[in-house]
Amino acid sequence: GEDVEQSLFLSVREGDSSVINCTYTDSSSTYLYWYKQEPGAGLQLLTYIFSNMDMKQDQRLTVLLNKKDKHLSLRIADTQTGDSAIYFCADQSQAGTALIFGKGTTLSVSS
Amino acid sequence: EAQVTQNPRYLITVTGKKLTVTCSQNMNHEYMSWYRQDPGLGLRQIYYSMNVEVTDKGDVPEGYKVSRKEKRNFPLILESPSPNQTSLYFCASSLSPSNQPQHFGDGTRLSIL
Repeated sequence: GEDVEQSLFLSVREGDSSVINCTYTDSSSTYLYWYKQEPGAGLQLLTYIFSNMDMKQDQRLTVLLNKKDKHLSLRIADTQTGDSAIYFCADQSQAGTALIFGKGTTLSVSS
Repeated sequence: EAQVTQNPRYLITVTGKKLTVTCSQNMNHEYMSWYRQDPGLGLRQIYYSMNVEVTDKGDVPEGYKVSRKEKRNFPLILESPSPNQTSLYFCASSLSPSNQPQHFGDGTRLSIL
């Protein structure tokens, strides 16, 4: 079945770069997404990448997509304590009617 | 401001007492959906709606009902809540789920005792 896998935890120091990795099984998606969830808050769409792109940069965020390996990554440059949150990778279901989420990566940033 | 609004944000209730969680979006989106988030299981889709009067089951629809009488509203109904429905619920909407991002509400934390 459709699946999205992520590592569960990442700990970095303030100012370092963070890289969160994700693998997915369904290769027919038009877009792949990264959502951010801060404690007690909802899901914020962070960024997304069109499936025919290899890379997308948006200020401190860089998304890399390797379609051959079905691998997606999110790089956060100059990570700040305010970046501490849970980050979800999401793929579209084959039917296109749902998002398939990974279990989320908890990013902890220490000063 | 474009947003998806859920109410209530928090609710503690008892087994068997019918409840409704409302969801409203102001973006004129065709598609709306409900997900539940549970520790270790991530987010799973409960129901979705592609348009007014069109609803369909997601991965975990048991124990839930929905309706889509108007484009902007998509309430989630628990006719007889049970403790295993204790969860964090999210409503989402999109112009088109296959090629447009889904926007999420702030979530509703339900505790069923």
